[in-house]
Amino acid sequence: DAMVIQNPRYQVTQFGKPVTLSCSQTLNHNVMYWYQQKSSQAPKLLFHYYDKDFNNEADTPDNFQSRRPNTSFCFLDIRSPGLGDAAMYLCATSRGTSSYNEQFFGPGTRLTVL
Amino acid sequence: QKEVEQNSGPLSVPEGAIASLNCTYSDRGSQSFFWYRQYSGKSPELIMSIYSNGDKEDGRFTAQLNKASQYVSLLIRDSQPSDSATYLCAVNPGGFNKFYFGSGTKLNVKP
Repeated sequence: DAMVIQNPRYQVTQFGKPVTLSCSQTLNHNVMYWYQQKSSQAPKLLFHYYDKDFNNEADTPDNFQSRRPNTSFCFLDIRSPGLGDAAMYLCATSRGTSSYNEQFFGPGTRLTVL
Repeated sequence: QKEVEQNSGPLSVPEGAIASLNCTYSDRGSQSFFWYRQYSGKSPELIMSIYSNGDKEDGRFTAQLNKASQYVSLLIRDSQPSDSATYLCAVNPGGFNKFYFGSGTKLNVKP
């Protein structure tokens, strides 16, 4: 089945220790997104790629970076995690940029910062 | 500011009843609307999408859209305990495929 996969599902890191979260997709979708979701809050868009074209949200901290080496994979790098970065990180994909395209989420990575 | 508002709940309904979840949005030009279900600790799962005014039915789920009132709702018929989850409303205001999410309504279906 076509799907969005995230690894790891749970990540524990120490304050200030860099961490990388990964996302892969077999849907062959052009657009990949990274969201941050904290408890009882709406998912917050961090950035997205349309193919290799990177789009950063204006309020995404510089501490968050992303890479998309090919169509299937996308990575979220947190350079110096703080306690406030503990959250669920969600990867999503959509076929294209039309307003009518649906977004499909991976299972998420729960990040804990000690 | 593009806002999507939902009552946080919890909304409690007995098993077998109709659950009605509501969402309002601020951008009058919004073009597409989505409902996601999110179980505790899990990721959002797409339930319905709706683009035109009126009703759209899929099994026990009906999405209703009223663009003039900037209002979208989700009805769940014959609610089951397995429907207990948080329901997120997402709105695409047009242009690039960027969603604005509400904070969700928590639904409890009591056996």
